[in-house]
Amino acid sequence: GAGVSQSPSNKVTEKGKDVELRCDPISGHTALYWYRQSLGQGLEFLIYFQGNSAPDKSGLPSDRFSAERTGGSVSTLTIQRTQQEDSAVYLCASRPRGYDTEAFFGQGTRLTVV
Amino acid sequence: GQQLNQSPQSMFIQEGEDVSMNCTSSSIFNTWLWYKQEPGEGPVLLIALYKAGELTSNGRLTAQFGITRKDSFLNISASIPSDVGIYFCAGHQGKLTFGQGTILTVHP
Repeated sequence: GAGVSQSPSNKVTEKGKDVELRCDPISGHTALYWYRQSLGQGLEFLIYFQGNSAPDKSGLPSDRFSAERTGGSVSTLTIQRTQQEDSAVYLCASRPRGYDTEAFFGQGTRLTVV
Repeated sequence: GQQLNQSPQSMFIQEGEDVSMNCTSSSIFNTWLWYKQEPGEGPVLLIALYKAGELTSNGRLTAQFGITRKDSFLNISASIPSDVGIYFCAGHQGKLTFGQGTILTVHP
């Protein structure tokens, strides 16, 4: 498809388990962002990839969170030893190169930790 | 770090009324974006602003990039029920920073 694709759309996991969330950005987009949105809240920045530069990880809430982007395309957000407070919608966005460009979002992965 | 203050947090209006929301920042941004999010969906881009002072319209939506590059507003004219949702501003300076969102409810 032409848009940002995230999978799974919904994930229920037990506390303490690890989860992987996937983002397929729009082809050719060099920038990729991960955000977290708790119920009724705004978008919390997690991590930002731009081309081959070192990612901006300043938003990751703890060392249980990590993300990688392989080949400048697909990205995986991993949460280890999940906690109930990790329950949220995780949104991915991608953007073409340049300042005068716009970011497009996927539909998100709703993570529920029980 | 960069922070955006978006107001109001929520609005309850009658169909046909005009709406205005704004964002301010302590930092300068190169680009301002306005998004709308509906339940169960990711945010969808409404308007993008690239130059200080720029005023851009998209149908009933009008947005401006403040001359200081530290603020932006979004106006919606003649609101309709399908305008309901959460509206986010975002500033781009490397990474995208989002405001807290404005929840809009439109009563028929």
